[in-house]
Amino acid sequence: QVQLQESGPGLLKPSETLSLTCTVSGGSTSSYYWNWIRQPPGKGLEWIGYIYYTGSTKYNPSLKSRATISLDTSKNQFSLKLSSVTAADTAVYYCARRVVRPPERDDSFDFWGQGTMVTVSS
Amino acid sequence: DIQMTQSPSSVSASVGDRVTITCRASQGISNWLAWYQQKPGKAPKLLIYGASSLQSGVPSRFSGSGSGTDFTLTINSLQPEDFATYYCQQANSFPITFGQGTRLEIK
Repeated sequence: QVQLQESGPGLLKPSETLSLTCTVSGGSTSSYYWNWIRQPPGKGLEWIGYIYYTGSTKYNPSLKSRATISLDTSKNQFSLKLSSVTAADTAVYYCARRVVRPPERDDSFDFWGQGTMVTVSS
Repeated sequence: DIQMTQSPSSVSASVGDRVTITCRASQGISNWLAWYQQKPGKAPKLLIYGASSLQSGVPSRFSGSGSGTDFTLTINSLQPEDFATYYCQQANSFPITFGQGTRLEIK
């Protein structure tokens, strides 16, 4: 059974850079798409971006190029950096595995971490 | 971006009831739609992919239908553990987007 676990600081000041790591166990990061998704308190889900096992990335334009996702297959980890944070970046951050199976029109997130709360406050 | 609109935003029902939640896409997404269940303080759980395929391990009382712009999630014979918030998600085009959620409450 694949398991994902987020780690990183829970409190940041405005203008700092958010850094989170997701450790994958029970499976390899040498396949699939590895994603970050966030959820502000009491609100819905926002997809941040992914890194494919080949190293290719794609991000949500709403983040205005502030996000960077990297992958370390030797450690079975992937990471998120989000620069110049503001209070609007306060959210629970989830890492998730995305599976894509075109014949079944399947493009979904089948395994998720438990989430980590990040608060941005001065 | 493709906007996903769920209705209703919240619904009250009793154990044993049948509930239907609707998700509408702002443009056609074929069958590239998934449904998730989220309980308070927990990560979302994948229920349905490809609009109508049941994820492994998910009870058969959950079903999905639809294609193009209009989709439904139906829960037959509600169980106490089904009271949660449900989200739809499209992956027809980037950015991947989610509906705003439907909260299913106990009547």
